[in-house]
Amino acid sequence: DAGVIQSPRHEVTEMGQEVTLRCKPISGHDYLFWYRQTMMRGLELLIYFNNNVPIDDSGMPEDRFSAKMPNASFSTLKIQPSEPRDSAVYFCASTSSGAFYNEQFFGPGTRLTVL
Amino acid sequence: AQRVTQPEKLLSVFKGAPVELKCNYSYSGSPELFWYVQYSRQRLQLLLRHISRESIKGFTADLNKGETSFHLKKPFAQEEDSAMYYCALSGDFGNEKLTFGTGTRLTIIP
Repeated sequence: DAGVIQSPRHEVTEMGQEVTLRCKPISGHDYLFWYRQTMMRGLELLIYFNNNVPIDDSGMPEDRFSAKMPNASFSTLKIQPSEPRDSAVYFCASTSSGAFYNEQFFGPGTRLTVL
Repeated sequence: AQRVTQPEKLLSVFKGAPVELKCNYSYSGSPELFWYVQYSRQRLQLLLRHISRESIKGFTADLNKGETSFHLKKPFAQEEDSAMYYCALSGDFGNEKLTFGTGTRLTIIP
């Protein structure tokens, strides 16, 4: 198993452009999480899904951010329009409700730079 | 609301010296506490969880409910311990959501 897969690994874009980050969770996992990592704020939970349904999106910073999970093997995080302050590393993680104490498995992250 | 505080963003320790990474939490119920670690060019991964009372790579962490702390300790630091460490909290059993602290970057000086 390749673990959680994220693409792209690096994204450089200009302010105002739309950015789409992608995630494929581990097969069989029914929870998916999107996090943002910055030096100042550490690791912040943006949104998470259970069985493809968004459960808690209280961490989504503003309406420019949206996330979808159309099926059990794919999720997207979209930023439109992007701003320089969105520059960060975005992680996707997954877990199973049957996992021992819900250990989360992380992807390699997408490093986003907005110029 | 649940909150995790890691007061040190950076910590440097000499090889062979003891290590302590501080973590304090705020939660009204019965929390589950974890330490996650991110080594250079590797994925963030679980290091240990308080419920297991385990020692991983020489690290231990004791949950102190009176002080609401979950400090990570190791008696003798090794160079391979250099990494980013995150303390995390999960609410009552069955709640999969994790709240992370801001992280501590540990550097072991040879």
